[in-house]
This record gives sequence, structure tokens and C-alpha cells, in this order.
Amino acid sequence: KAGVTQTPRYLIKTRGQQVTLSCSPISGHRSVSWYQQTPGQGLQFLFEYFSETQRNKGNFPGRFSGRQFSNSRSEMNVSTLELGDSALYLCASSPQTGNTEAFFGQGTRLTVV
Amino acid sequence: AQSVTQLDSQVPVFEEAPVELRCNYSSSVSVYLFWYVQYPNQGLQLLLKYLSGSTLVKGINGFEAEFNKSQTSFHLRKPSVHISDTAEYFCAVTPTSGTYKYIFGTGTRLKVLA
Repeated sequence: KAGVTQTPRYLIKTRGQQVTLSCSPISGHRSVSWYQQTPGQGLQFLFEYFSETQRNKGNFPGRFSGRQFSNSRSEMNVSTLELGDSALYLCASSPQTGNTEAFFGQGTRLTVV
Repeated sequence: AQSVTQLDSQVPVFEEAPVELRCNYSSSVSVYLFWYVQYPNQGLQLLLKYLSGSTLVKGINGFEAEFNKSQTSFHLRKPSVHISDTAEYFCAVTPTSGTYKYIFGTGTRLKVLA
């Protein structure tokens, strides 16, 4: 079974631009979550989607948004990029029932210059 | 709300020596507990998890952890480490019902010395 796939792996953007990151969950998984990892703040929850609906949202500004498609693939978008948005963005997928395990992708390393 | 505390930010240990990485949590509701490992420029890989039942949980790569409800701890142990165990280790919790949000500790960097 293929794991969680995140694209692209690396991205460099300029302040003020916007960016879209993609995540393909494990086949059959309907829950997709996003996390931001930085040296200063550690791993922080961004949001979680299930069956195309956002079920949970972390404490991030409205510049951070996401969506999920009918095939469970998910995208997250960050508008008006700031230097502080530089981070590793991790996507995790979970089975349809329960939250007994989250499978993580390798992440997208975003650098804002 | 939940919180996770990993008391040691860095743990150096010699190869073939035992190691314990400490994790304490706080939660007003029942939680599941996890340990993940992260190698440089990689995502998180699940080492082991506690859902219910036996408080001693065995995971991959020879790691094990013990859930102690009274002390709200979930310490990770390995009796003999290898150079390849050098990585960052994260303890995490998530409520048993409701949100799928995982709360992570700040991580412990394990460095195995030759």
C-alpha cells in the first residue's frame, strides 16, 4: 500500500506570494490533517478534514486554508506569505473510523525569502 | 485541553547502552498515546502506541514504552541502542473521541555515540 504522498518536497517562495501544497492520503483513508513544524514552535496542528468537511482547526490566521476533494486528496494554501511561514508542512492521514493512528507523509519544506 | 512535556531536549548515549526518553502528559479526558520518530528531512514514523489494555507496549526497532496513568507518563525505552537510532523522538496524545487533533511534545533529540 502506498504511503502518504506530499508534493512538492521543497518550495521556495517570496514574501507576499501565495502557495499551495498537496497531500494524497493512503488509499481508503478519509481523514487528512495538516501540521506545521518549526524549530521554535515544534509541531502545531493546522486543520483536519474528513469527507470534504473541515472538522477541526488550529490556532492559525485566516491566511492558512485548506480543502479536501472527493477522492480524499487535500490541499492547503497559504496566502500573503511571511518569513515566519518557513517550515516543514506535514500531512497525516487516518483510517475512516477512529483516531488510533496517523500516518505521516515526508513533508513539504517551504522556505520564504 | 491536552499538553505533552518531554523533559529532555537532547539525550546523548553510547552505542549498546540503554536509553529512556521521558514523556509526561496532561489531559482532562481519556487519550491515546504515541511515540513517533523523525529522521532528518523526513516525516514522522510511528514507533508504538497505547490505546488500551496492557500498559507495556512494544514497538518497532526494539523500542517499548510503559503507560503509567497515576503519573500521567509514557516513557520510551530501548535496552541497547544503535547508531541508526540517532533521530528526534516525539511523544503525542490525542483524545479517544471527538477531535482527531494530535498534541505533540517538543521532541527529544537522541544522539548515539560510537
